[in-house]
Amino acid sequence: QVQLVESGGGVVQPGRSLRLSCVASGFIFSNYGMHWVRQAPGKGLEWLAVIWHDGSEINYADSVKGRFTISREDSKNTLYLQMSSLRAEDTAIYYCAKAMSPQGWDWFDPWGQGTLVTVSS
Amino acid sequence: EIVLTQSPGTLSSSPGERVTLSCRASQSVSSHLAWHQQKPGQAPRLLIYDVSKRATGIPARFSGSGSGTDFTLTISSLEPEDFAVYYCQQRISWPLTFGGGTKVEIK
Repeated sequence: QVQLVESGGGVVQPGRSLRLSCVASGFIFSNYGMHWVRQAPGKGLEWLAVIWHDGSEINYADSVKGRFTISREDSKNTLYLQMSSLRAEDTAIYYCAKAMSPQGWDWFDPWGQGTLVTVSS
Repeated sequence: EIVLTQSPGTLSSSPGERVTLSCRASQSVSSHLAWHQQKPGQAPRLLIYDVSKRATGIPARFSGSGSGTDFTLTISSLEPEDFAVYYCQQRISWPLTFGGGTKVEIK
């Protein structure tokens, strides 16, 4: 079945960088758009970034634009989120999610289980 | 940015009851609205998309309706496993946005 497994979370100091990974299985990864969404502790969901199946289009939320970079490596069935200049307010669980089609604007289904990023000195 | 406002913030109900959750958009999202369910300690999962289409494996007691700016998620008869937080989400324009969520708790 479709499975998404995030990794790379942890405790990082403000201003530092971190790279998250999301390994996909159970579907043809290169055929689908992929998203990153986060959830701060006790808060709601915030969409962060999307990449089309072929990388031809990428979009970001304003809150992370210029600091975060989404990318994919289809040979490894892996989605990435490179995060730089991290701030305390970036502390959250980070989820990857598969789009329902090659285009990034499609619905999220399914979601990964998430990885926790804590930005603290 | 399209703002989605969900109401109520918390809904207390008993198993077997019918509940209705609301999602209002700050501008029309046409039929580009979905609902996600999140249980404590778990990732969200897609329940309803395109206003009223149930995602794979979602029971028929979940239904969605609405258009434009006003949308509803109805659970016809609450099961114990339905106590969770429900989020609406739009995809008509960037950035994609979610509502603040409605928590359905046991009365």
